[in-house]
Amino acid sequence: AQSVTQLGSHVSVSEGALVLLRCNYSSSVPPYLFWYVQYPNQGLQLLLKYTSAATLVKGINGFEAEFKKSETSFHLTKPSAHMSDAAEYFCAVSVSGGYQKVTFGTGTKLQVIP
Amino acid sequence: KAGVTQTPRYLIKTRGQQVTLSCSPISGHRSVSWYQQTPGQGLQFLFEYFSETQRNKGNFPGRFSGRQFSNSRSEMNVSTLELGDSALYLCASNPTGQGDTEAFFGQGTRLTVV
Repeated sequence: AQSVTQLGSHVSVSEGALVLLRCNYSSSVPPYLFWYVQYPNQGLQLLLKYTSAATLVKGINGFEAEFKKSETSFHLTKPSAHMSDAAEYFCAVSVSGGYQKVTFGTGTKLQVIP
Repeated sequence: KAGVTQTPRYLIKTRGQQVTLSCSPISGHRSVSWYQQTPGQGLQFLFEYFSETQRNKGNFPGRFSGRQFSNSRSEMNVSTLELGDSALYLCASNPTGQGDTEAFFGQGTRLTVV
């Protein structure tokens, strides 16, 4: 079975500062990893995904994440936070060859301080 | 291309009643998954359907059921509602139903049980 741990349920950064949201995964087989963003009263939207190609994955809105197998991590970063980045972010894992059963982390709410 | 459509967006039901939620996936998507989102538990997987067959089921009581029609539209039903069933119910569709492809989410149905 796979699982995901997101460290920090709330993260606050100043506008223009680095955004770092942490995600560690556990999987007995090669994983596929995703970051989704959720704005209030909305569904989830894909930011980026890792599917065993390049370990550094670039996504939408300037976000990127690096897959580190040795650390079982897939942290999300953005060099400079914008007010519009305030939302909840979810890391998720699914397994290769498996059905569409995605396991989500508990989410990290990002607050951007002007 | 139209996105995933969930109806209704908001619903208020009384304890003991039953409710049916509807999800229309993106055209051509054959896999539909359902999730329950609550502040305390995050996103919990309910079930996944592919070509009218339930392939995967989460750890929920039998009061939660679903089905998928030949046009890929899906419904989920909750019988004998409990206060704890109050949540945002999210539907997601996927073109292949495989683990390496991202899920496309609807905006959700906010169910309140009173």
